[in-house]
Amino acid sequence: QSVLTQPPSVSAAPGQKVTISCSGSSSNIGNNYVSWYQQRPGTAPKLLIYDNSKRPSGIPDRFSGSKSGTSATLGITGLQTGDEAEYYCGTWDSSVSAGLYVFGTGTKVTVL
Amino acid sequence: QLQLQESGPGLVKPSETLSLTCTVSGGSISSNSYYWGWIRQPPGKGLEWIGSIYYSGSTYYNPSLKSRVTIFVDTSKNQFSLKLSSVTAADTAVFYCARSPLRTFNEWYFDYWGQGTLVTVSS
Repeated sequence: QSVLTQPPSVSAAPGQKVTISCSGSSSNIGNNYVSWYQQRPGTAPKLLIYDNSKRPSGIPDRFSGSKSGTSATLGITGLQTGDEAEYYCGTWDSSVSAGLYVFGTGTKVTVL
Repeated sequence: QLQLQESGPGLVKPSETLSLTCTVSGGSISSNSYYWGWIRQPPGKGLEWIGSIYYSGSTYYNPSLKSRVTIFVDTSKNQFSLKLSSVTAADTAVFYCARSPLRTFNEWYFDYWGQGTLVTVSS
């Protein structure tokens, strides 16, 4: 079981906006930077957001990230059919002595 | 353009050792700016970080897998490898290799990923 909790699914019509939450604790999100990954079916994950809100080169500004306390949020505006995918948050977790990188439970985005 | 490519057996017997290699092209694994890691994903499930290595050989492992995992680097071949011992059916997964920029742990993320390779543990 992941220490980062995401809603199993979200959906919206094309052109609309969706937000995906990632809930953690002071051992992870509360004191570390969050990244977000998009995984289309049958493909490898792709980095969308790092350092809570920064976008790598080539990622459209329709994707945005934010963090508040022990939760983070990914927003997708102007939803497109190509955005249908599983989305994962990720961060460092220091609840165990050596620490480890953890991913969220994943959220499936459906474009209606 | 950086590319990572996993390779290794697609079928491993229970109790044996799973061995995979990630070949890096379009960049040097000896760069002092990156860690190189392994992440797995059981069929239909989420992502799990296995561990990461720096080109010098420093390793960082998921505590839950540490007793069974070894990651090592071969700079002459621009490759890094994973060994996972005493595998069971629960280790069946798609295994990804990935790069993460050299930063403090609390700033980690994975910016380049291989396409992944499915390893099935079965007799």
